[in-house]
Amino acid sequence: DTEVTQTPKHLVMGMTNKKSLKCEQHMGHRAMYWYKQKAKKPPELMFVYSYEKLSINESVPSRFSPECPNSSLLNLHLHALQPEDSALYLCASSPPGVPTGELFFGEGSRLTVL
Amino acid sequence: KQEVTQIPAALSVPEGENLVLNCSFTDSAIYNLQWFRQDPGKGLTSLLLIQSSQREQTSGRLNASLDKSSGRSTLYIAASQPGDSATYLCAAMDTGRRALTFGSGTRLQVQP
Repeated sequence: DTEVTQTPKHLVMGMTNKKSLKCEQHMGHRAMYWYKQKAKKPPELMFVYSYEKLSINESVPSRFSPECPNSSLLNLHLHALQPEDSALYLCASSPPGVPTGELFFGEGSRLTVL
Repeated sequence: KQEVTQIPAALSVPEGENLVLNCSFTDSAIYNLQWFRQDPGKGLTSLLLIQSSQREQTSGRLNASLDKSSGRSTLYIAASQPGDSATYLCAAMDTGRRALTFGSGTRLQVQP
């Protein structure tokens, strides 16, 4: 299995809803990432987990809450989002050790906040 | 803070042409540099990865070069095809945080 799988592919939610995005990989990768990509813009880093511990939080608002329950799974919990949070949310993973550092991306979850 | 710039922002060429996409980065202390392809509304597909100790990588019709000292990378596409139409993103991975910083991309259109 050489894929990063993200679910759901599309999500529409109201500003008072609570929802979650899920990312799964079975490649033995120990670093996992959340990126946010607005239309016609490059991806921007949100969070990095290394060996299931949060290693980077790019000053993301607390309405986004990441979770890494095990080495294969990464969640992004969403609560009280704003319309400007509508974007493509990309998950990526990277194998451990040196020298690669290659990131493998999923297809993304397209989020629309009404 | 690392900044990555890509030129041109958009490019339209006839089928069969060879072309070069440019990427520059401000901090030369990179771990690697990666080139990705993104089709509209889709995720990122990794094309080539160049480690900081390497000068170039090749895959099929694609060749990427890296010049750390000048903070530049190029992606060369030979004999372009309409199926190459997509946005091409370069991204630099920093040595400390091991996170990618992306350029804004070059939107390529190959005309049949």
